[in-house]
Amino acid sequence: DAKTTQPNSMESNEEEPVHLPCNHSTISGTDYIHWYRQLPSQGPEYVIHGLTSNVNNRMASLAIAEDRKSSTLILHRATLRDAAVYYCILLFGGAQKLVFGQGTRLTINP
Amino acid sequence: NAGVTQTPKFRVLKTGQSMTLLCAQDMNHEYMYWYRQDPGMGLRLIHYSVGEGTTAKGEVPDGYNVSRLKKQNFLLGLESAAPSQTSVYFCASSYLRGPWNEQFFGPGTRLTVL
Repeated sequence: DAKTTQPNSMESNEEEPVHLPCNHSTISGTDYIHWYRQLPSQGPEYVIHGLTSNVNNRMASLAIAEDRKSSTLILHRATLRDAAVYYCILLFGGAQKLVFGQGTRLTINP
Repeated sequence: NAGVTQTPKFRVLKTGQSMTLLCAQDMNHEYMYWYRQDPGMGLRLIHYSVGEGTTAKGEVPDGYNVSRLKKQNFLLGLESAAPSQTSVYFCASSYLRGPWNEQFFGPGTRLTVL
């Protein structure tokens, strides 16, 4: 499985945008980039995924570099409820098994 | 819809005891998964199922057995619990096979083995 690298922790302020980076330099052409988050004492929750183009949904945006070796999850206006561990995961073609790393612990200051 | 539910929420076992964790989903999903999460770590896949009556090993299957007798239920069994199996267990399900598909997770079962 291709690996991802994320910062261990990040901090931001409420109502400001947050950019969470992920490096995946060994990504292959069929790997999808998924983001999940885990709120305290809860199961992981799907956030967004993409392959090549940037993606938007009601929760976040995903910006994918042109060479696909990195991506950024963007929370446009962080709230206290967005404090969680965010996981960047590569899912290769034909598989559905998620491989979780240690993720980025996001702290939101009021 | 209740989504994915897990029973029980908490359990304490003594070494050598057995127990079964139940996962149920009401979304008619084909695929179901069991993960474990140790403190400060990401989730690791134990076993998964691609349909009723089928199961397969994940990353850390030793010491666990699973069964998928009904499409909506996925059971995880510990025959002889060990302290190393102290963890939080998460069940998940997904509708489609493929890397574009999202998984839905349950709230977790916190298991302590003394």
